[in-house]
Amino acid sequence: AQSVTQLGSHVSVSEGALVLLRCNYSSSVPPYLFWYVQYPNQGLQLLLKYTTGATLVKGINGFEAEFKKSETSFHLTKPSAHMSDAAEYFCAVSDSFGNQFYFGTGTSLTVIP
Amino acid sequence: DTGVSQDPRHKITKRGQNVTFRCDPISEHNRLYWYRQTLGQGPEFLTYFQNEAQLEKSRLLSDRFSAERPKGSFSTLEIQRTEQGDSAMYLCASRKTSGTGELFFGEGSRLTVL
Repeated sequence: AQSVTQLGSHVSVSEGALVLLRCNYSSSVPPYLFWYVQYPNQGLQLLLKYTTGATLVKGINGFEAEFKKSETSFHLTKPSAHMSDAAEYFCAVSDSFGNQFYFGTGTSLTVIP
Repeated sequence: DTGVSQDPRHKITKRGQNVTFRCDPISEHNRLYWYRQTLGQGPEFLTYFQNEAQLEKSRLLSDRFSAERPKGSFSTLEIQRTEQGDSAMYLCASRKTSGTGELFFGEGSRLTVL
């Protein structure tokens, strides 16, 4: 069975500072990994995904994440935070068949001007 | 690609009433998922369809919840005899079966049970 743990339910950074949101997963098979962003009263929007190949994946809005199998991690980073990055971020894992997706409890990102 | 559409966006009802939500997935997507999200939590799986077949249903899902996708296109989620604990955002998502496709989410239907 797959599961996802997001460390830190709330993260605050200053505008222009590095954003680091942590995600660890457990999976008995090679996983597919995703980061989604959610703005208030909206659905989830895909930021980036890892399926196979290069372990460093780039997404929209300057975000990237690195799949580290040895650490079972898929942390999300952005070099320089922008006010518009303030939102809820969810890490998700699916099995290789894509039948089922499991989400973490989310990290709320606040950007301080 | 018109995106996943959900209706209504907001529903306020009294305890004991029945409510129904509709989801229109992206047209070429044959997988359709329902999730429930409460404040401060991630989406919680409810059920999913491949075309018109309901392939999996969460064991945590009460018998008061039922979902259909009669023609393999739109889907409905009905909650009977609503309870205050049913208050949540109900999210619909769709994807293609093949490949490594991600879920595409609708904007959600927020239910408030008084």
